[in-house]
Amino acid sequence: GDSVTQMEGPVTLSEEAFLTINCTYTATGYPSLFWYVQYPGEGLQLLLKATKADDKGSNKGFEATYRKETTSFHLEKGSVQVSDSAVYFCALSDSGYQKVTFGTGTKLQVIP
Amino acid sequence: SAVISQKPSRDICQRGTSLTIQCQVDSQVTMMFWYRQQPGQSLTLIATANQGSEATYESGFVIDKFPISRPNLTFSTLTVSNMSPEDSSIYLCSAGTFNEKLFFGSGTQLSVL
Repeated sequence: GDSVTQMEGPVTLSEEAFLTINCTYTATGYPSLFWYVQYPGEGLQLLLKATKADDKGSNKGFEATYRKETTSFHLEKGSVQVSDSAVYFCALSDSGYQKVTFGTGTKLQVIP
Repeated sequence: SAVISQKPSRDICQRGTSLTIQCQVDSQVTMMFWYRQQPGQSLTLIATANQGSEATYESGFVIDKFPISRPNLTFSTLTVSNMSPEDSSIYLCSAGTFNEKLFFGSGTQLSVL
């Protein structure tokens, strides 16, 4: 079945550092790929998405590129802020946006 | 966008009892789902809540343990029945319209003693 593997956390970075959170997936067909974010005390929110190979999703300075050849969807940001501290989930869906399969989440802590 | 209200936000329950979690969406949605997030693990889909009919359960989840109702397009409940400590998890409601993004509630943190 479908699965998502993402790097374990927590990840601790200083403000303005470069962020990479690795994510790889296993799926039949051509899934849509997502990054969700959960800020402390809040619900999951969709951060960005990509629906086909070589698509780049971007939002709030975060980017991720759908790499079919390496089955990866790594999350990057050039300069993190304290307000980026949250748990980040990589996810995929074979059926549009529904029935999403999630990774285990990576907690990011950004210190001033 | 849709705003999802989920309650209770947390509860501590005794073994053998049941807890019903409510999920209210502020707009009509096609799809509603229930997820479970066990400590240190990813979110796992429990079931799809179908309006006016029985829920569709994923492998490993059964109706007797997790009965679900969805009486209309904006409301659903999940009951965790005959609880044991292994049921201690965060339970999340999500909702959306077909081929549009999913929205999530802030979750119910359940601890079973």
